[in-house]
Amino acid sequence: KQEVTQIPAALSVPEGENLVLNCSFTDSAIYNLQWFRQDPGKGLTSLLLIQSSQREQTSGRLNASLDKSSGRSTLYIAASQPGDSATYLCAATPQGGSEKLVFGKGTKLTVNP
Amino acid sequence: NAGVMQNPRHLVRRRGQEARLRCSPMKGHSHVYWYRQLPEEGLKFMVYLQKENIIDESGMPKERFSAEFPKEGPSILRIQQVVRGDSAAYFCASSPTATVYSNQPQHFGDGTRLSIL
Repeated sequence: KQEVTQIPAALSVPEGENLVLNCSFTDSAIYNLQWFRQDPGKGLTSLLLIQSSQREQTSGRLNASLDKSSGRSTLYIAASQPGDSATYLCAATPQGGSEKLVFGKGTKLTVNP
Repeated sequence: NAGVMQNPRHLVRRRGQEARLRCSPMKGHSHVYWYRQLPEEGLKFMVYLQKENIIDESGMPKERFSAEFPKEGPSILRIQQVVRGDSAAYFCASSPTATVYSNQPQHFGDGTRLSIL
């Protein structure tokens, strides 16, 4: 059974700092690994999707990496801004024909001006 | 293009009543997924539907919960005889194809917050 863990649960940084969010998963048999952003009272916004055959994906100030063998993914945010404050979720799609996403509990990020 | 639309945004029910949650997928999307987010917990998969078919309901409680996605109209998640433990945020997502083959992300709605008195 796939389990996804995110550390830390909460993170507070000053504006401008570069930061890394961590995600680990127990079963390396995945189709892909996704990172989402969730704002309070809102749904999820997809940030990056890394296919199982890929090592990383980049979008603007965001870079996500995937190491299937060690069961880890990281989301790197460069030059953080107060608008980046949100909860960041990672989710794995297990292999086996399933469409379900298995989510971690998220990291709540606060970027202080 | 309108995103995934869920209504109502907030729903209050008394114990024993029925709750009906609606989800209109993005235009052109025929695959719908329902997830539940309990307080202080991560999102948990409930059910995956294509038009008129339930593909995977492995995350759905065996009793009181049902889902449908008719040929016409929104997908409906129905909870009968609600209990306090059903209080949660229920999210719907949609995609144009099976995401594992296309590697396209699922697009999420803003959720329905269900409160049971």
